[in-house]
Amino acid sequence: DTEVTQTPKHLVMGMTNKKSLKCEQHMGHRAMYWYKQKAKKPPELMFVYSYEKLSINESVPSRFSPECPNSSLLNLHLHALQPEDSALYLCASSQDHDRLTEMNTGELFFGEGSRLTVL
Amino acid sequence: AQTVTQSQPEMSVQEAETVTLSCTYDTSENNYYLFWYKQPPSRQMILVIRQEAYKQQNATENRFSVNFQKAAKSFSLKISDSQLGDTAMYFCGLTNFGNEKLTFGTGTRLTIIP
Repeated sequence: DTEVTQTPKHLVMGMTNKKSLKCEQHMGHRAMYWYKQKAKKPPELMFVYSYEKLSINESVPSRFSPECPNSSLLNLHLHALQPEDSALYLCASSQDHDRLTEMNTGELFFGEGSRLTVL
Repeated sequence: AQTVTQSQPEMSVQEAETVTLSCTYDTSENNYYLFWYKQPPSRQMILVIRQEAYKQQNATENRFSVNFQKAAKSFSLKISDSQLGDTAMYFCGLTNFGNEKLTFGTGTRLTIIP
């Protein structure tokens, strides 16, 4: 059983739709991540939130908008997506994140992912 | 910039055999962490094993061990007594100290044959 819960597991949306992916963890982790994974490819980092503040944005298009309402929740708002955005979107969290040194030294805990199809 | 290379896209071995997955990396940093993650079909990615670069001793976790060669920038994963449940995509990863970004290799698809 995963301790990082992602909803929905599957999402089909049109290019004009607005939808959101949600991620929740109750392990007390203070860093949360969004990754995008295309078929047979490694995950690509999109965003990192550290102590509820956006610390990394890997030049992701603005049609992807992350939000971290609190330390347990991470959302990814989707608007005006393109078919090439179809992918598995993975959420992860990590515990070993030192606030002073900003070192991510520990294990990433991944959710099962949300499989997104853009028509 | 940091890079991770996995040169074996696919591998298959008989159950109970030993298999070694290769990984090489490049980083300009002296302090970093190396990881092997496992992604079974339609299941979430989990950490298999982690190695701190400052430690000379190779990490081991039950049937999983690594051969860490810092000078050669090589980090291979050995799976002993392979089991059907080891069938998965395996990703090698690298994180530099002071950097939250985990860089993955392209992955090796491992199939354990009954």
